[in-house]
Amino acid sequence: EAQVTQNPRYLITVTGKKLTVTCSQNMNHEYMSWYRQDPGLGLRQIYYSMNVEVTDKGDVPEGYKVSRKEKRNFPLILESPSPNQTSLYFCASSPRKSEDDTQYFGPGTRLTVL
Amino acid sequence: RKEVEQDPGPFNVPEGATVAFNCTYSNSASQSFFWYRQDCRKEPKLLMSVYSSGNEDGRFTAQLNRASQYISLLIRDSKLSDSATYLCVVNRDDMRFGAGTRLTVKP
Repeated sequence: EAQVTQNPRYLITVTGKKLTVTCSQNMNHEYMSWYRQDPGLGLRQIYYSMNVEVTDKGDVPEGYKVSRKEKRNFPLILESPSPNQTSLYFCASSPRKSEDDTQYFGPGTRLTVL
Repeated sequence: RKEVEQDPGPFNVPEGATVAFNCTYSNSASQSFFWYRQDCRKEPKLLMSVYSSGNEDGRFTAQLNRASQYISLLIRDSKLSDSATYLCVVNRDDMRFGAGTRLTVKP
C-alpha cells in the first residue's frame, strides 16, 4: 500500500530534550516536506527536500533540523524543543516539486513540549 | 495579511443542503489551486484540483476566478459524511494552505 508513515504519532516531552520524528514514504517520491499545523494558522512548511541530500528551509524553520540521506526517509529533528513547538506535525511527499503534483500526507504527529 | 484566507466557519447545515465556501489568495503569481479535506485529527487529503474553467466531481464543484483571486467550493446535497474541515491550497513555488473552513452536516 502506497503510504507515508510517521513515528511516533503522539509524544509528550520536556523542554530541551532532543527528539526525532521519523517520516518514511514507499512511493519513490523525490519531494518531501514537513509542516506544522496550529489552530487558526493552517499548515506552515518547516523544511522541504527536493531529493536526496538536498534540503531547504520553509516558512518556519527555526528550532528544527532535517536530513535526507535516503530517498524514502526524511526525519525531523528538534535539538532543544521548547513549548512553542507544541503542535501537530505532518510529513508529506509528492513525485516532484511540481505545481500539479498532489501531496500525500502522513497521519500526523501530535507533539506536546512541557 | 495571510496569503490564503478562508472563513473559518463553522458552517452547520442540514443534510441535503447546498453549501459554498470561498477562499481568497494574495499572490497573483499563484499557479495551481486545490481543495483538500481534513477530518478531525487526521491528515489532509486531496479533494479536487481547481481549474480556470471550473470543474465538477459528483456533488462537488470548484471554481477559480483569477481576476478576483478567489476560489470556491460548492457542495450539493450534503451528506453527514461531508462533515470535515476544507482547506484551500494555493501553489506558486510552494503550497500555501488556508486555515480551513469547518463544516458540520446535521441530520
